[in-house]
Amino acid sequence: DPKIIQKPKYLVAVTGSEKILICEQYLGHNAMYWYRQSAKKPLEFMFSYSYQKLMDNQTASSRFQPQSSKKNHLDLQITALKPDDSATYFCASSQDGAYAEQFFGPGTRLTVL
Amino acid sequence: GDSVTQTEGQVTVSESKSLIINCTYSTTSIAYPNLFWYVRYPGEGLQLLLKVITAGQKGSSRGFEATYNKETTSFHLQKASVQESDSAVYYCALGDLRTGNTRKLIFGLGTTLQVQP
Repeated sequence: DPKIIQKPKYLVAVTGSEKILICEQYLGHNAMYWYRQSAKKPLEFMFSYSYQKLMDNQTASSRFQPQSSKKNHLDLQITALKPDDSATYFCASSQDGAYAEQFFGPGTRLTVL
Repeated sequence: GDSVTQTEGQVTVSESKSLIINCTYSTTSIAYPNLFWYVRYPGEGLQLLLKVITAGQKGSSRGFEATYNKETTSFHLQKASVQESDSAVYYCALGDLRTGNTRKLIFGLGTTLQVQP
């Protein structure tokens, strides 16, 4: 059974629209993260949450808003989509602990036309 | 800023031969960086291969080894004898411990390993 679920797997959106990327983890972890990988670029850290509170935000744009409605959920809302937002978005989670391993989801590939 | 540079593109190695994937890092803001190798096998998600928290230590897993060298700021991945099942994309990453025991990972571009039978 998948331990971290990301939905949808693929997403196509038009410029200016808004989308929500879903992430649920069933590992019992308290920390969750979002990363993004654009074409020919490395995975890039976006946000981290711990116990449903924002810990770190490395995203310059306010168009990206994480939402944590439950302890094991961390969705990512993206508004006013741009073609440059096209990327694969990965959710990750870890236990609470200084040296805890991050487990990654399969990713949502977003294409903005 | 902080960055990770690793062997670019694809590396092709014959089965049973040795492998080295180079990784060097640069950091100006992280006092005690931790180092990781992640792997993505075909059709699977990203998973941790090995990690080293302390400079000078060696990590190992599935026959792979990497030593955290603070002097040369390197964390090269090595394996003495590769198998076809090692074909995957390998990512070197630098970890920065942040607020709330969370960790920001800074990744390299990834190196595709193709093992030929």
